[in-house]
Amino acid sequence: KAGVTQTPRYLIKTRGQQVTLSCSPISGHRSVSWYQQTPGQGLQFLFEYFSETQRNKGNFPGRFSGRQFSNSRSEMNVSTLELGDSALYLCASSLANRPNEQFFGPGTRLTVL
Amino acid sequence: AQSVTQLGSHVSVSEGALVLLRCNYSSSVPPYLFWYVQYPNQGLQLLLKYTTGATLVKGINGFEAEFKKSETSFHLTKPSAHMSDAAEYFCAVSTGSGTYKYIFGTGTRLKVLA
Repeated sequence: KAGVTQTPRYLIKTRGQQVTLSCSPISGHRSVSWYQQTPGQGLQFLFEYFSETQRNKGNFPGRFSGRQFSNSRSEMNVSTLELGDSALYLCASSLANRPNEQFFGPGTRLTVL
Repeated sequence: AQSVTQLGSHVSVSEGALVLLRCNYSSSVPPYLFWYVQYPNQGLQLLLKYTTGATLVKGINGFEAEFKKSETSFHLTKPSAHMSDAAEYFCAVSTGSGTYKYIFGTGTRLKVLA
């Protein structure tokens, strides 16, 4: 079974631009969570989607948004990029009946110049 | 509120020596606890997890961890370090219900010396 895939793996943007990251969960997984990893703040929870609905949200500004499609694939969008948004963005998926066993993708490395 | 503290941002051990990575948690409800490993330029791989039941949990690659409620700890151990164990290790806590988000510790980078 294929793992969690994230595209693109690397991305370079400039301040003020917006970016969309994509995550395809493991087949059969309906929950998708997003995390931001930075050297200064570590791993921080962004949001979680289940059946196309945002179920939980972390403490990030409204510039960070996401959505989930009917096939459970998820996208994350960051608008008006700031230098501090440079990070590794990780996506994780889990089964509906085992939400506490999350499988992580390789991440998207976003660099904001 | 939940929190996780990993003591020691960097740990060095000799190959063949015991690996001990420390994790203490704070949770107002029975926690679910996890250890993940991250190799350079990769995502997180689940090593082991504690949800309920047996407090000594065995994971992949010879790692194990013991849930000690009285000490609010979930330390990760491996009897004999291998060079391939060099990576960053993260402890995480989850409430297990309602809010399915993980709270991660700041990570411990393990270095294995030849």
